[in-house]
Amino acid sequence: GQNIDQPTEMTATEGAIVQINCTYQTSGFNGLFWYQQHAGEAPTFLSYNVLDGLEEKGRFSSFLSRSKGYSYLLLKELQMKDSASYLCAVLNDYKLSFGAGTTVTVRA
Amino acid sequence: ETGVTQTPRHLVMGMTNKKSLKCEQHLGHNAMYWYKQSAKKPLELMFVYSLEERVENNSVPSRFSPECPNSSHLFLHLHTLQPEDSALYLCASSQDLASGQETQYFGPGTRLLVL
Repeated sequence: GQNIDQPTEMTATEGAIVQINCTYQTSGFNGLFWYQQHAGEAPTFLSYNVLDGLEEKGRFSSFLSRSKGYSYLLLKELQMKDSASYLCAVLNDYKLSFGAGTTVTVRA
Repeated sequence: ETGVTQTPRHLVMGMTNKKSLKCEQHLGHNAMYWYKQSAKKPLELMFVYSLEERVENNSVPSRFSPECPNSSHLFLHLHTLQPEDSALYLCASSQDLASGQETQYFGPGTRLLVL
């Protein structure tokens, strides 16, 4: 089976940094994705990690440790528009298994 | 604009109705997917098509019937649904299945309410 855990909710202040953790136990691993989903909208691709380490893309960075079954998404210089749900998903062959998502609320 | 469109965006139906959800991708992809997203639950993979052939049917009840007439279009036919089927139904596409590393691009979803 697949087990992917991430916190349900996080709140942070505009301009701050937030780190969303994701732990996983899956039968196979071909990489880990992070998606952003605003309410009522499509999930949009943020990042993909398949090797250990940090991938930086502007204000967003994603880290992976395969030996620990752990990833995090780091959001820097938070903006109000970053308020959304962030989905961690593990790829096994061609199947994506998702966590339940972390709702991030950015306050002024 | 993600290149994946879905219609209708909202649908209310009774348990005896028959309706269809439509998905179209404008990205030239070869693989398409149906997911169910219920409140506070992870996205659940329902069906996977590659080059119009179904490669995955994830123990989905037969009241959900997918159809993929070509690589750009995917349908989900619904009949005699139950109230617990109320959810957001998301379509996604990816370039291929083969490499196993393809990013999936999602449509905006159809919000379904079964009364």
